[in-house]
Amino acid sequence: AQSVTQLGSHVSVSEGALVLLRCNYSSSVPPYLFWYVQYPNQGLQLLLKYTSAATLVKGINGFEAEFKKSETSFHLTKPSAHMSDAAEYFCAVSEYVKAAGNKLTFGGGTRVLVKP
Amino acid sequence: EAGVTQFPSHSVIEKGQTVTLRCDPISGHDNLYWYRRVMGKEIKFLLHFVKESKQDESGMPNNRFLAERTGGTYSTLKVQPAELEDSGVYFCASSQGGAGNTEAFFGQGTRLTVV
Repeated sequence: AQSVTQLGSHVSVSEGALVLLRCNYSSSVPPYLFWYVQYPNQGLQLLLKYTSAATLVKGINGFEAEFKKSETSFHLTKPSAHMSDAAEYFCAVSEYVKAAGNKLTFGGGTRVLVKP
Repeated sequence: EAGVTQFPSHSVIEKGQTVTLRCDPISGHDNLYWYRRVMGKEIKFLLHFVKESKQDESGMPNNRFLAERTGGTYSTLKVQPAELEDSGVYFCASSQGGAGNTEAFFGQGTRLTVV
């Protein structure tokens, strides 16, 4: 069975500071990993995904994440926070099981507050 | 291109009533998923359609929930009768492919409040 743990339900960062959101997963098979973002009153939007190619994955809006198999982690970072990064971020994992599609298991989410 | 659309955006109903949520996936997407987020908890998988067939409904909480996808286009999720613990945000997602690395596109969700 898969599971995802996001450390910290709320994170506060200053504008211009590093954003670091932690995600650890467990999976019985090599996983596919995703980060989604939800801005207020909007749906979930894909930031980036790891699909067994490069371990350092670059996404939209300056975000990137590094897959570390030995640590079972997929932490999300952005060097310099903008006010527009205030949102809730979700880490998710899927296992490809034939005919089961892309069934996602989500972490609990981390709400990011950006202080001016 | 239109994204995934969900109706209504909010619904407040009394315990014991029936509510039907609708999801219009992106045109051409055979895979449609329903998820739910109960307040304070993680987003959880409910079920998965491939075209009009239910591929996986392992996440459906109980038999008060009924999902349909007639004709393989839009989907409905009916809760009958609604209970207080059904409150939460219901998300619909669709994807073109069925592989595990395929991006799923999400709707904005339906916030259901049962009072």
